[in-house]
Amino acid sequence: EPEVTQTPSHQVTQMGQEVILRCVPISNHLYFYWYRQILGQKVEFLVSFYNNEISEKSEIFDDQFSVERPDGSNFTLKIRSTKLEDSAMYFCATKLGDRFLPNTDTQYFGPGTRLTVL
Amino acid sequence: DAKTTQPPSMDCAEGRAANLPCNHSTISGNEYVYWYRQIHSQGPQYIIHGLKNNETNEMASLIITEDRKSSTLILPHATLRDTAVYYCIVTSLLNDYKLSFGAGTTVTVRA
Repeated sequence: EPEVTQTPSHQVTQMGQEVILRCVPISNHLYFYWYRQILGQKVEFLVSFYNNEISEKSEIFDDQFSVERPDGSNFTLKIRSTKLEDSAMYFCATKLGDRFLPNTDTQYFGPGTRLTVL
Repeated sequence: DAKTTQPPSMDCAEGRAANLPCNHSTISGNEYVYWYRQIHSQGPQYIIHGLKNNETNEMASLIITEDRKSSTLILPHATLRDTAVYYCIVTSLLNDYKLSFGAGTTVTVRA
């Protein structure tokens, strides 16, 4: 069964450094999402991405964050200058989202990247 | 977005059915009910979803009341590996099926 994969599984960085989290979506999926979960808290929506542009972003997703699909396969989340409070699990999710097919709006999540900012 | 209300926790005996309730009294006609679960800090795992009719798949059954104001996720034969946090989420095309996670129900399956 196809899966969403994410790398790295764990990233440790110093405050102020840039990090890039990578996601390989399920093949032929069209919609991509990033969520995060601070330890002990809820899973929070960050951003959705479709047709090479951001569809929606939450207030968490400020100017320090960016997303792109640089090579048509990987979907990346970049944090320009990490802060201590960015420490969290970051989950990528993807969905097929084919309007002409039923039941293609289910999001499938990757295993996550644990980001630790020191 | 419609909000959902779930009990914070519940226990279940291994091998027995687990019935997880969810209230979504403000759900609108075009909103689906989705269920996900999260084991430890792993990525949320899709379980099942429905609009009006009851649904069943290899993992679970979803029973939606006729007025759609509540639903029940049924795990027919709970195993220890079903111990997880279960999330009931309502969403629709109007918000691009964005998922808003609440606190969910922590289900503990006991031997």
